Amino acid sequence: AQSVTQLGSHVSVSEGALVLLRCNYSSSVPPYLFWYVQYPNQGLQLLLKYTSAATLVKGINGFEAEFKKSETSFHLTKPSAHMSDAAEYFCAVSQFTGGGNKLTFGTGTQLKVEL
Amino acid sequence: EPEVTQTPSHQVTQMGQEVILRCVPISNHLYFYWYRQILGQKVEFLVSFYNNEISEKSEIFDDQFSVERPDGSNFTLKIRSTKLEDSAMYFCASRGTLREEQYFGPGTRLTVT
Repeated sequence: AQSVTQLGSHVSVSEGALVLLRCNYSSSVPPYLFWYVQYPNQGLQLLLKYTSAATLVKGINGFEAEFKKSETSFHLTKPSAHMSDAAEYFCAVSQFTGGGNKLTFGTGTQLKVEL
Repeated sequence: EPEVTQTPSHQVTQMGQEVILRCVPISNHLYFYWYRQILGQKVEFLVSFYNNEISEKSEIFDDQFSVERPDGSNFTLKIRSTKLEDSAMYFCASRGTLREEQYFGPGTRLTVT
């Protein structure tokens, strides 16, 4: 069984401030972890992924995330927020045990960036 | 860059009608998925498909739902008799190997009236 918890359904930051979006996972086997971004009325775009290599993962648009097994966390950060980062962010977990390897998503965090 | 495409972008149907949502996955991908997102809620897994058969399905994917890969390029989701609660955005996704990420299409917004 696998699950994802995203703390904070809405996060608001000032432009130029640090972005921190929290994700904790539960998985019975070593997980693969993903962050997707969804802009209004659009599909899901992959930001970054963790697939058991380096624990600090860099993605697109200046985002990065760190896999911490001891904390079962995969928080998403960006040093300096930009207005264009305003979107909904979804953390997702997948288990590579064969079969379909579905993604299980968190409930999402809406990021608002203010001037 | 290869991408997953979905048609139509928006489908309006009456309750009880059958709908078919179409997806063209990335051409060399082997694993195919449908997810849905009810307005304001999280993305939920419906079904995965590999080697011409369903490999996993969720509780949502009941007898009213079916999937098919009719011609080696399209991947379809059929809802036999739509209900109001089927109104959602439906996303198709595909994956090349198990260790790659899933690539999502832009979605089909289904509105059941």
